[in-house]
Amino acid sequence: NAGVMQNPRHLVRRRGQEARLRCSPMKGHSHVYWYRQLPEEGLKFMVYLQKENIIDESGMPKERFSAEFPKEGPSILRIQQVVRGDSAAYFCASSPGPHSANEQFFGPGTRLTVL
Amino acid sequence: AQRVTQPEKLLSVFKGAPVELKCNYSYSGSPELFWYVQYSRQRLQLLLRHISRESIKGFTADLNKGETSFHLKKPFAQEEDSAMYYCALRRAAGNKLTFGGGTRVLVKP
Repeated sequence: NAGVMQNPRHLVRRRGQEARLRCSPMKGHSHVYWYRQLPEEGLKFMVYLQKENIIDESGMPKERFSAEFPKEGPSILRIQQVVRGDSAAYFCASSPGPHSANEQFFGPGTRLTVL
Repeated sequence: AQRVTQPEKLLSVFKGAPVELKCNYSYSGSPELFWYVQYSRQRLQLLLRHISRESIKGFTADLNKGETSFHLKKPFAQEEDSAMYYCALRRAAGNKLTFGGGTRVLVKP
């Protein structure tokens, strides 16, 4: 099992461009979580998705950010019109189910730099 | 809302010395507490969780509900313990993890 995959690992965008971050969960996992880590800070929850459904988006900024987890393919975190403050490491995690006994397995992260 | 605090950003100890990473939390309900570790150039991985009550790589952590703490301890630090450590909380029956700011541990030879 290759584990949670994220790509790209590094992404550079200019202000105003769009950033698309991809996350492929572990095989057999249907639950995906996105976290953001700003420099010198801990990870902060953004959104929790199951296949085709957003379950909890309480950590998502109200504007410019969106997430999806289609029936086929990876989960996508999309940031429109990026600003310098969006520069951060974005981590995806997956679990086999929602139950509290399930461990979240993390991907290597995507480091977004906005110029 | 829940909150996790790791007061030390950096802990530097000599090999063989004890190490204790502090973690305090605020949450009014019954939390689940975790320690995650990130070694250099590796992804974040679960080290231990309070409900397991187990020792992993010589580390232990006890949930103290009275003091709302979940400190991580190891009696004899090894150089391979050098890493970034994150304390995290999840509400019982919840999903998202709330992380502390992290503590970097450096074990010197």
